[in-house]
Amino acid sequence: DAGVIQSPRHEVTEMGQEVTLRCKPISGHNSLFWYRQTMMRGLELLIYFNNNVPIDDSGMPEDRFSAKMPNASFSTLKIQPSEPRDSAVYFCASSLGAGNEQFFGPGTRLTVL
Amino acid sequence: GQSLEQPSEVTAVEGAIVQINCTYQTSGFYGLSWYQQHDGGAPTFLSYNALDGLEETGRFSSFLSRSDSYGYLLLQELQMKDSASYFCAYGSARQLTFGSGTQLTVLP
Repeated sequence: DAGVIQSPRHEVTEMGQEVTLRCKPISGHNSLFWYRQTMMRGLELLIYFNNNVPIDDSGMPEDRFSAKMPNASFSTLKIQPSEPRDSAVYFCASSLGAGNEQFFGPGTRLTVL
Repeated sequence: GQSLEQPSEVTAVEGAIVQINCTYQTSGFYGLSWYQQHDGGAPTFLSYNALDGLEETGRFSSFLSRSDSYGYLLLQELQMKDSASYFCAYGSARQLTFGSGTQLTVLP
């Protein structure tokens, strides 16, 4: 298996632009997680899905952030409009059921100018 | 509230043994996990303790004491490649809350 796939790996955009991050979880995994990592705030859970359904989005910073999972093999995290404080590395992770191991993708490094 | 505490930095020499402690505070507890993250890389799973005691996986061991809300990661026979950040996290695979991480530097 190729592992969790994220795209793009790097994104540089200007303040006010829309940003869409993409994730393909490991085939067969039924839980998907979006995290944000910064030096100041560490690794934060933004939202997670179970069987394509959002279970907890309490970590989503504000209405500018939205996430979807239209099917078991694809999820997006969208920021509209983006702001410089959104600059971070965004990780997608997936896991199988009630297992204890999450598999992280390589991350998307987002820079908002 | 919910929180985890771990040291921000640890330094040790190659071949040595190092222990990274983690204390937690949470209203619901489903186990303590450890993840490793190299600079520029993604977190990768190391170990998970649901019950009290020691779990051993090669050079790495993890310990949990639920009564003390305490756990640790023990790294033996340190190698240069072990230089990385180590995160403890509580929860299950359904949801994880991560500590702020411990930066381990292994010196030659």
